[in-house]
Amino acid sequence: DAGVIQSPRHEVTEMGQEVTLRCKPISGHNSLFWYRQTMMRGLELLIYFNNNVPIDDSGMPEDRFSAKMPNASFSTLKIQPSEPRDSAVYFCASSLGTNTEAFFGQGTRLTVV
Amino acid sequence: DAKTTQPPSMDCAEGRAANLPCNHSTISGNEYVYWYRQIHSQGPQYIIHGLKNNETNEMASLIITEDRKSSTLILPHATLRDTAVYYCIVRVGSNSGYALNFGKGTSLLVTP
Repeated sequence: DAGVIQSPRHEVTEMGQEVTLRCKPISGHNSLFWYRQTMMRGLELLIYFNNNVPIDDSGMPEDRFSAKMPNASFSTLKIQPSEPRDSAVYFCASSLGTNTEAFFGQGTRLTVV
Repeated sequence: DAKTTQPPSMDCAEGRAANLPCNHSTISGNEYVYWYRQIHSQGPQYIIHGLKNNETNEMASLIITEDRKSSTLILPHATLRDTAVYYCIVRVGSNSGYALNFGKGTSLLVTP
């Protein structure tokens, strides 16, 4: 398996534009997580899904952020409209079941200018 | 989930054992101890986890005290490639899946 695949790896966009980050979890995994990492706040959990259903979205910073998981092999994190303070590295991770390790993607580095 | 406390940074000479401590004094009986690391610019990588007993795998050993209020991650022969931020995380397993809450971790520098 190629692991968790995120796209794009880098994204530079202007303030106010819509940004969509994509994630393909490892085949067969039933839990998917979106994290954001900045120097100031470290790694923050934004939302996670279990069997394609959002379980906890309390980490989503505001209504500008939304996440979907239409099927077991794909998830998106959308920011609309984007702001400079959204600049960060966004990680997606997946795992199989409970009490197992989570595998992280390589991340998407987002810069909003 | 219980809170963890780790030293912000540590140094270790290459070839020596690196012992990374973690305090989790408020851990509950059903909470596991997980260790992850993050090498610069990469996604976090799972290392090891345990509940009560000591655990060992090809990467590291995890020593959990009898009262479970602290643990130590041991890298037996540290290499330069082990330079990374190491996160100790305590979490509850549940049937609804789980989420890892990362703290600030310990920045380990392995020197030649």
